[in-house]
Amino acid sequence: IAGITQAPTSQILAAGRRMTLRCTQDMRHNAMYWYRQDLGLGLRLIHYSNTAGTTGKGEVPDGYSVSRANTDDFPLTLASAVPSQTSVYFCASSDSARTSAYEQYFGPGTRLTVT
Amino acid sequence: AQKVTQAQTEISVVEKEDVTLDCVYETRDTTYYLFWYKQPPSGELVFLIRRNSFDEQNEISGRYSWNFQKSTSSFNFTITASQVVDSAVYFCALSVLLNTGTASKLTFGTGTRLQVTL
Repeated sequence: IAGITQAPTSQILAAGRRMTLRCTQDMRHNAMYWYRQDLGLGLRLIHYSNTAGTTGKGEVPDGYSVSRANTDDFPLTLASAVPSQTSVYFCASSDSARTSAYEQYFGPGTRLTVT
Repeated sequence: AQKVTQAQTEISVVEKEDVTLDCVYETRDTTYYLFWYKQPPSGELVFLIRRNSFDEQNEISGRYSWNFQKSTSSFNFTITASQVVDSAVYFCALSVLLNTGTASKLTFGTGTRLQVTL
């Protein structure tokens, strides 16, 4: 069982370019999340998805979009990258059908540099 | 709004010393969950423990122990007899239900970097 995979592992991107970060989980978790990690700021939620077909905004959604066409995949798109989006991006999932749980499991991260 | 404060930015200890990582949280929700995650130098985030707001029992898992005190809104993490492999950034996090009713939002502290040397 792979858990959560993210691609690419790292990427250098020119400002203004479009980029999609991929996230796939094989745990059949219904909830998925995207976070960015910046030094001194911890991890901040960008977008989340309650279940396939639904998405919601986190605390730092501007400049990012997501889709959730099926249970397993939750891509994050930067429509026109800017240098402030340089960060490490983590995808996570949780089995929120188990209401006593809520722990989130994280992918290995994507290191994105926007130049 | 939720907030998690990890006042210790960095801690250095010598192997075999005990070390406590502090975590203070703020929330108005009566139902919430507290977590600790470990981020080793390799970068992945490893789930360590979850504690819900109705369970104030302390927990011990090997060399790790957690002290949850609602009266002081704290969820501190102690490593006993630290080892070099414990060197990592440790994050405390708080989870409450999003308004959708099922998905949960994790609010992270800024992390404490623990350096264990020989």
